[in-house]
Amino acid sequence: QQQVKQSPQSLIVQKGGIPIINCAYENTAFDYFPWYQQFPGKGPALLIAIRPDVSEKKEGRFTISFNKSAKQFSLHIMDSQPGDSATYFCAASSLGGYGNKLVFGAGTILRVKS
Amino acid sequence: SQTIHQWPATLVQPVGSPLSLECTVEGTSNPNLYWYRQAAGRGLQLLFYSVGIGQISSEVPQNLSASRPQDRQFILSSKKLLLSDSGFYLCAWRGGTSAYYNEQFFGPGTRLTVL
Repeated sequence: QQQVKQSPQSLIVQKGGIPIINCAYENTAFDYFPWYQQFPGKGPALLIAIRPDVSEKKEGRFTISFNKSAKQFSLHIMDSQPGDSATYFCAASSLGGYGNKLVFGAGTILRVKS
Repeated sequence: SQTIHQWPATLVQPVGSPLSLECTVEGTSNPNLYWYRQAAGRGLQLLFYSVGIGQISSEVPQNLSASRPQDRQFILSSKKLLLSDSGFYLCAWRGGTSAYYNEQFFGPGTRLTVL
């Protein structure tokens, strides 16, 4: 019940395409859903996050869509660029939980071809 | 603004040797602190977390231990390293007196190779 399932494992798109990464969770106590971007040899960087009181959030070219009833959320990258090539992790947590631990998905390796 | 430091950046150690990795956070007080390990090409495994000085919670029983001797200092240790301890170790912080109540931020990481 603590797992976050992320798909696909890897994704290749052409420059300008819209890669979509999906995540699903079971724990209905989760109420915070961030996405992280990680480049090789670097720590993950917080990209965008959403709370369950909204169904969509946009920041620049990155959009999170959230479906509370289906317990799913996804990341869309508009007009993808080669510089977006990285590993993306979704995560979830219960903000009222002790330690506010994040449960991470397994990650998606994105490659944007120029 | 808040910053998080980890050192060393890279480390090569022989099997059976001790380990000490350090993480410090600046610009906030009383943050939650976290240690993660990432094996090559894999996901993030939470090892330890701390909600205050001297308070350590362990997620996975293993060859490692953690300590929080000061509010913004988090240390990961081992008495005797195993080959399986190799990986990318990440420290992260969240909350405290910063404006970022929900967000968790990662440090630059330490690449540990055990030979």
